[in-house]
Amino acid sequence: AQSVTQLGSHVSVSEGALVLLRCNYSSSVPPYLFWYVQYPNQGLQLLLKYTSAATLVKGINGFEAEFKKSETSFHLTKPSAHMSDAAEYFCAVNKNNNAGNMLTFGGGTRLMVKP
Amino acid sequence: NAGVMQNPRHLVRRRGQEARLRCSPMKGHSHVYWYRQLPEEGLKFMVYLQKENIIDESGMPKERFSAEFPKEGPSILRIQQVVRGDSAAYFCASSPRTLGYEQYFGPGTRLTVT
Repeated sequence: AQSVTQLGSHVSVSEGALVLLRCNYSSSVPPYLFWYVQYPNQGLQLLLKYTSAATLVKGINGFEAEFKKSETSFHLTKPSAHMSDAAEYFCAVNKNNNAGNMLTFGGGTRLMVKP
Repeated sequence: NAGVMQNPRHLVRRRGQEARLRCSPMKGHSHVYWYRQLPEEGLKFMVYLQKENIIDESGMPKERFSAEFPKEGPSILRIQQVVRGDSAAYFCASSPRTLGYEQYFGPGTRLTVT
């Protein structure tokens, strides 16, 4: 079985400050990992994905994430927060087998950016 | 290339009525997934379909819920005899193939049961 834990359901940062959203996973097989962003009343948009290539993954809007197998983590970072980054962020793991790749999501982290 | 389309965007049903949610995957995508997002919660997998086949319905309630993805036309998620607890956002996602490929999400259908 696989699971995803996002530490901190709410994170608040000042505009221009570092953004760090935490994600830890458990998986019995090498995982594929994703970060999605959801703006209010909208669907999910893919920020970035890890598929066993480079451990540091760069995504859209200046976000990046680092896969650390020893820590079973895939934390999302952005050097400088912008007001437009305020949204909910979901980490997800792919059930990596031949039965299909349904995603298991974490509970989400709501990012608030203060001016 | 149009994204994943879902309709309606908002649906209001009275208890006991039926709800039909539609999803048209991205062009060229033959894998469709349905997820449910309850208020203040993350997304939970419901069902995975390919054309004319249900591959995995392990996340779908055994009663009142059904899904299909016919050879022609959109995928349908059907909820019979809706109850207040069915109120949620239902998201459809599609992907071109299985392992490792990201899923592209539609805007969701927000179901409200009164």
